[in-house]
Amino acid sequence: EPEVTQTPSHQVTQMGQEVILRCVPISNHLYFYWYRQILGQKVEFLVSFYNNEISEKSEIFDDQFSVERPDGSNFTLKIRSTKLEDSAMYFCATGVAGLAGRYQETQYFGPGTRLLVL
Amino acid sequence: DAKTTQPPSMDCAEGRAANLPCNHSTISGNEYVYWYRQIHSQGPQYIIHGLKNNETNEMASLIITEDRKSSTLILPHATLRDTAVYYCIVIRTGNQFYFGTGTSLTVIP
Repeated sequence: EPEVTQTPSHQVTQMGQEVILRCVPISNHLYFYWYRQILGQKVEFLVSFYNNEISEKSEIFDDQFSVERPDGSNFTLKIRSTKLEDSAMYFCATGVAGLAGRYQETQYFGPGTRLLVL
Repeated sequence: DAKTTQPPSMDCAEGRAANLPCNHSTISGNEYVYWYRQIHSQGPQYIIHGLKNNETNEMASLIITEDRKSSTLILPHATLRDTAVYYCIVIRTGNQFYFGTGTSLTVIP
């Protein structure tokens, strides 16, 4: 069964450093999402991406964050200058396009990247 | 998107059916009911979704009341591996998922 994969599984970085988290979506999926989960808290939406542009973003997704799909396969989340409070699990999710107005795009989540900012 | 209410925790004996309720009294006509689960700190796992009709797949059944104000996820024969946090999410097409606190299901041997 096809799966969403994410690399690295763990990342430790110093405050102020840049990190790039990578996601390989399921092959025919066209909708991409990033979520995060701070330890012990809810899963929170960060951003959705479709047709090479951001569709929606939350208040968390400020100027320190960016997303791109540089080579048509990987989907990346970049945090420009990490802060202590960015420590969390980051989940990528991808979805296949449904028939507009009739089907929801079910999202399939990757295993996550655990980011620790020191 | 409509808000959902779930009990914070439930227990179920191994081999028995686990029935997880969800209230979504403010659901509107074009909103779907989705169920996901999260085992420990793994990525949320899709279980099932529906709009009006009851649905069944290899993992679970979803029963949606006729007025669509509540639903029940049924795991027909719970195993220890079904111990997880279960999230009921109501969403319109194209919107991001809002995860609440879910129901922590513990399957007891």
